[in-house]
Amino acid sequence: KNQVEQSPQSLIILEGKNCTLQCNYTVSPFSNLRWYKQDTGRGPVSLTIMTFSENTKSNGRYTATLDADTKQSSLHITASQLSDSASYICVVSALGSGAGSYQLTFGKGTKLSVIP
Amino acid sequence: DTGVSQNPRHKITKRGQNVTFRCDPISEHNRLYWYRQTLGQGPEFLTYFQNEAQLEKSRLLSDRFSAERPKGSFSTLEIQRTEQGDSAMYLCASSGQGYAVQYFGPGTRLTVT
Repeated sequence: KNQVEQSPQSLIILEGKNCTLQCNYTVSPFSNLRWYKQDTGRGPVSLTIMTFSENTKSNGRYTATLDADTKQSSLHITASQLSDSASYICVVSALGSGAGSYQLTFGKGTKLSVIP
Repeated sequence: DTGVSQNPRHKITKRGQNVTFRCDPISEHNRLYWYRQTLGQGPEFLTYFQNEAQLEKSRLLSDRFSAERPKGSFSTLEIQRTEQGDSAMYLCASSGQGYAVQYFGPGTRLTVT
């Protein structure tokens, strides 16, 4: 069964500090991995998407890494801001078996709170 | 605004009533997805369309749920005979071809009393 596990479940950090969120997956065959940011009461917004051949991808203060061998990804947030408070969801896509196949597995998210 | 829009944003209904939600995707996107999300959980896939064709439905989509995308543009999700367990955020997303990024709408929060 395809699964995506995220850790920690929740995290509180001081404004200006860095943090790293983890994502482990057992999705196969792997296609790509995405990180989304979801503010409370809003829809998720894409931060990064990485395919099998990509090890790292940055989007401003967000840097995602991918180790396809160990099936792990991390999202590193640098110099956190109050506006970074949100849930961060890891989503892994599997190669579909046909044109109509849909294979996205969502993690439960890590709830990040940045405090002044 | 050229993002994904959803209406209504909030819906409170009594158990047993029918509700319908609307999603307007990004205009050039041919794929449209519906998800359900409960508190503290990630989104759960319900169904997806490529143009007007509904290509896949999750087992979560019971016979009380129906989704349409009649002209390959906007989509509606109807829930008949709502139950308290249907209370959740219903998210719509759209994407272009291939394994493109999905752009999510703001969601419709349903509360069944």
